[in-house]
Amino acid sequence: QSVLTQPPSVSGAPGQRVTISCTGSSSNIGAGYGYDVHWYQQVPGTAPKLLIYGNNNRPSGVPDRFSGSKSGTSASLAITGLQAEDEADYYCQSYDSSLSGVVFGGGTKLTVL
Amino acid sequence: EVQLVQSGAEVKKPGESLKISCKGSGYSFNSYWIAWVRQMPGKGLEWMGIIYPGDSDTTYSPSFQGQVTISVDKSINTAYLQWSSLKGSDTAIYYCAKHEGIAVPGEVAYWGQGTLVTVSS
Repeated sequence: QSVLTQPPSVSGAPGQRVTISCTGSSSNIGAGYGYDVHWYQQVPGTAPKLLIYGNNNRPSGVPDRFSGSKSGTSASLAITGLQAEDEADYYCQSYDSSLSGVVFGGGTKLTVL
Repeated sequence: EVQLVQSGAEVKKPGESLKISCKGSGYSFNSYWIAWVRQMPGKGLEWMGIIYPGDSDTTYSPSFQGQVTISVDKSINTAYLQWSSLKGSDTAIYYCAKHEGIAVPGEVAYWGQGTLVTVSS
């Protein structure tokens, strides 16, 4: 049972928009300033890749089809204009004050139909 | 260029000990947290613990406290993850990860390539 809760799977057709939720608590996502949410994309057999950092910032090279948001104790990753290459596993991450450590969501498998 | 280069795949028997490594380069190694992340076959990412090379301050996830030891050798910019007695359930890919952040560990922009540890009799 992960501290951050994500749906196990989402799917969408090419060109569509999908969102992936990440639900936490007042000791992590909802703990306020500094408790940012970060998102990673992992293609099977490869290391995770940073997709969104600081809730809504994209590293250089990440397409603007990817965006992040945070509200209260939850965060979301949105992907617009779905492409076949977006098919991967997606993970959210934050810091938990009760655990004094980093926490990951359980991961969401995105299938492009 | 920032790089984290991990040691190679290992095949061990239950009860054996193991120490895997992660060498950082291209940045000030002492100034950024290094974490270890486990990924069991077909499963998600699990944060195991973290070390700050500058002062060797170490924090473990409750799930891994007492099960592994994280250490660092600043002189060669290398972090380690070790087991004293492996179990079959330790079979997984282990990633090292460089956390950004100041007050608390933030995002990971750089990951090692992963080390596959297989424990089987």
